[in-house]
Amino acid sequence: KAGVTQTPRYLIKTRGQQVTLSCSPISGHRSVSWYQQTPGQGLQFLFEYFSETQRNKGNFPGRFSGRQFSNSRSEMNVSTLELGDSALYLCASNRGPATNEKLFFGSGTQLSVL
Amino acid sequence: DQQVKQNSPSLSVQEGRISILNCDYTNSMFDYFLWYKKYPAEGPTFLISISSIKDKNEDGRFTVFLNKSAKHLSLHIVPSQPGDSAVYFCAASPSTDTGKLIFGQGTTLQVKP
Repeated sequence: KAGVTQTPRYLIKTRGQQVTLSCSPISGHRSVSWYQQTPGQGLQFLFEYFSETQRNKGNFPGRFSGRQFSNSRSEMNVSTLELGDSALYLCASNRGPATNEKLFFGSGTQLSVL
Repeated sequence: DQQVKQNSPSLSVQEGRISILNCDYTNSMFDYFLWYKKYPAEGPTFLISISSIKDKNEDGRFTVFLNKSAKHLSLHIVPSQPGDSAVYFCAASPSTDTGKLIFGQGTTLQVKP
């Protein structure tokens, strides 16, 4: 069974540009969550999607957005990139918003903003 | 407001000895706790979890202890092995919101041969 797949693995952008990251969850998983990891900050929750609907949103500016498609694949978009957006962006999936359902993570997309 | 804190950025132990990683939380609504392990250039992988109805959960060399009154949990690894060297994150959630985990900053464990 394939794991969570994130593309691309690495991305270099310049300030002011926008970027789209893609995530394919494990087959059968309908919930997708996104996290940002920066040095010393741990993983910070961005948003969660289930059945194409955003269930939860973290404390990030509106430049960060996402969506989920009918096949459960998800994308996140960051507009007007800032230097501080340089981070590892991780996608995770599980079967759905059920009690004690652990998350499975992808390897992430490493975004560098120059 | 850091709701989940791992106050030790790093820990170094000798192979064969016990590793103890600590985590504190502030939100009393949290009732499900997890530990994830992360190697460089890989995503976090699930290690062990515990719900608030328990105070201990064991899986092989890994044991998680939960002290609800102190809002503290710890991960014990016995015996520690060099392959355990990684960054360990604790995470918490209300049980109904398992897609939204609140993570600590991580503790880098180094196990020396």
